[in-house]
Amino acid sequence: AQSVTQLGSHVSVSEGALVLLRCNYSSSVPPYLFWYVQYPNQGLQLLLKYTSAATLVKGINGFEAEFKKSETSFHLTKPSAHMSDAAEYFCAALSGGYQKVTFGIGTKLQVIP
Amino acid sequence: KAGVTQTPRYLIKTRGQQVTLSCSPISGHRSVSWYQQTPGQGLQFLFEYFSETQRNKGNFPGRFSGRQFSNSRSEMNVSTLELGDSALYLCASSLAEKGYEQYFGPGTRLTVT
Repeated sequence: AQSVTQLGSHVSVSEGALVLLRCNYSSSVPPYLFWYVQYPNQGLQLLLKYTSAATLVKGINGFEAEFKKSETSFHLTKPSAHMSDAAEYFCAALSGGYQKVTFGIGTKLQVIP
Repeated sequence: KAGVTQTPRYLIKTRGQQVTLSCSPISGHRSVSWYQQTPGQGLQFLFEYFSETQRNKGNFPGRFSGRQFSNSRSEMNVSTLELGDSALYLCASSLAEKGYEQYFGPGTRLTVT
């Protein structure tokens, strides 16, 4: 079964610093990969997705992620953190059939002024 | 286009009662998935419906059930509520083709007392 591991349930960065949120997946077959963001009391919003077209994926709000098959990783980065980036981020994988998506446990990002 | 809507947004129930949650997908989306989100377990897949048929099911007891109507709207039902059923229930809709991202509603916060 597919599994998604997010290293670090809480990450703190200073405003203006690099944001790096880690995600590893378990499948031997590269799945479709997603990053979602969740603000308090809201649903999940798609940041970006990987569907094998390009290994470096650019998303909304200045985020991007790089798919590395050799490392089975799909880490999320942003060059300069903004206060509004404080939220919880989820990595997710879709493999096999249909829409059975497996989510990581989530990483709460704190941005320190 | 209107987003995914879920009703009600908040619900308080007593142990042993049953509850029905509703989800209206984005117009044109035929796949609806349900997730349970709790602080300890993260996002857990409940089930996915497409054209009124359940295509995927997660590892939840039979007390959790769902259905989808011909207009793609979906409901999920939880019978004989337990304290552990307290969670945020998220609905997501998709175009259903493999690899297409899911769009999430704001969720229904269920509290069981």
